Amino acid sequence: EAGVTQSPTHLIKTRGQQATLRCSPISGHTSVYWYQQALGLGLQFLLWYDEGEERNRGNFPPRFSGRQFPNYSSELNVNALELEDSALYLCASSRTGAHNQPQHFGDGTRLSIL
Amino acid sequence: AQTVTQSQPEMSVQEAETVTLSCTYDTSESDYYLFWYKQPPSRQMILVIRQEAYKQQNATENRFSVNFQKAAKSFSLKISDSQLGDAAMYFCAYRVVGGADGLTFGKGTHLIIQP
Repeated sequence: EAGVTQSPTHLIKTRGQQATLRCSPISGHTSVYWYQQALGLGLQFLLWYDEGEERNRGNFPPRFSGRQFPNYSSELNVNALELEDSALYLCASSRTGAHNQPQHFGDGTRLSIL
Repeated sequence: AQTVTQSQPEMSVQEAETVTLSCTYDTSESDYYLFWYKQPPSRQMILVIRQEAYKQQNATENRFSVNFQKAAKSFSLKISDSQLGDAAMYFCAYRVVGGADGLTFGKGTHLIIQP
């Protein structure tokens, strides 16, 4: 079984640009979560999609947005990039949105803002 | 707001020895799940073990076991017979049943295995 796949592995942008990060969940998983792992801040919950709907978002500004496609893959968009957006962005999937379901993580996308 | 605290930024243990990583959390909820994740330098987060708050019995997965003290809001991870492959960042995480958030993570403990 293929795991969670994220692309690209590394993304370099400049301030003010827009970034798009992609995530393919494990086959059969309908829930996708996005987390930001910034230096010194730890892992923070960003967004949760389940069955194509946004279920909740963490404490991040509206320039962080995303969507989930009918095949359950997901995209995270970050507009008007700021230096503080430099971080590892991790995607996780679970079989359903039930809270006892373990989340399986991808390798992440390293976003660097110059 | 729920918080998860890992008070040990770094721990070191000799290979084959036992090490315990601590985690405390703050919540007013009664039904939740607790998790330990491992993140090796390859950076992929791997689930090590999980505990359901309503279960009194401590979870065990091979060399990994937890000491769950609900009243004290403590959830420590014990690694027995430490191996070089156990070297990684270990994150404690929490999720409320019925809540709308994803996992809430601690800041992590960097575990070093001395050969």
